Amino acid sequence: DAGVTQSPTHLIKTRGQQVTLRCSPKSGHDTVSWYQQALGQGPQFIFQYYEEEERQRGNFPDRFSGHQFPNYSSELNVNALLLGDSALYLCASSLGGQGLSPLHFGNGTRLTVT
Amino acid sequence: AQKVTQAQTEISVVEKEDVTLDCVYETRDTTYYLFWYKQPPSGELVFLIRRNSFDEQNEISGRYSWNFQKSTSSFNFTITASQVVDSAVYFCALSEVLTGANNLFFGTGTRLTVIP
Repeated sequence: DAGVTQSPTHLIKTRGQQVTLRCSPKSGHDTVSWYQQALGQGPQFIFQYYEEEERQRGNFPDRFSGHQFPNYSSELNVNALLLGDSALYLCASSLGGQGLSPLHFGNGTRLTVT
Repeated sequence: AQKVTQAQTEISVVEKEDVTLDCVYETRDTTYYLFWYKQPPSGELVFLIRRNSFDEQNEISGRYSWNFQKSTSSFNFTITASQVVDSAVYFCALSEVLTGANNLFFGTGTRLTVIP
């Protein structure tokens, strides 16, 4: 039973560039949420995708956008990267858009912005 | 506003000791969920437990137990007879039905080190 998989594992970008992170949900899950975890902090909610639409959004600027595909996989895009965007980006999947099932997290993508 | 406080930044215990990780939360919602996640060095957040606000019954799962007290807004986590494999960062989290049950607010975590 495949869990949540994220790619790439690590990424180094330069300020001002754009980045795309990818996530495949756990088998049987249809909802994907993205979190940002800065060093030494707890994860912060970015947004959630269900039925290919953004359903909820945390306190993140429009530079952060996403997409969900018909196979439930998802992408997180960040434009005009800032040094402060350096973090571990975690994808989580669940069943149903109402949050009735617990989130299962992937190993994350560590993004470094120089 | 919602808030999760984990006052213990780091805890070290000797193997086989019991350890309790504290979690205090704030919310104005009457229906909410509380969680504990474990984050080993690999980075993956491992789900441990979810409780809803209407279920204050304590739970035990093997060496793990959780104590939920609405009167003190606490959801503490105890590991009995700790093992080296328990070394990780543990996060307590809260989600509210009003703001979205998949929108988890995490505490800053407690780093547990179990010394052999």
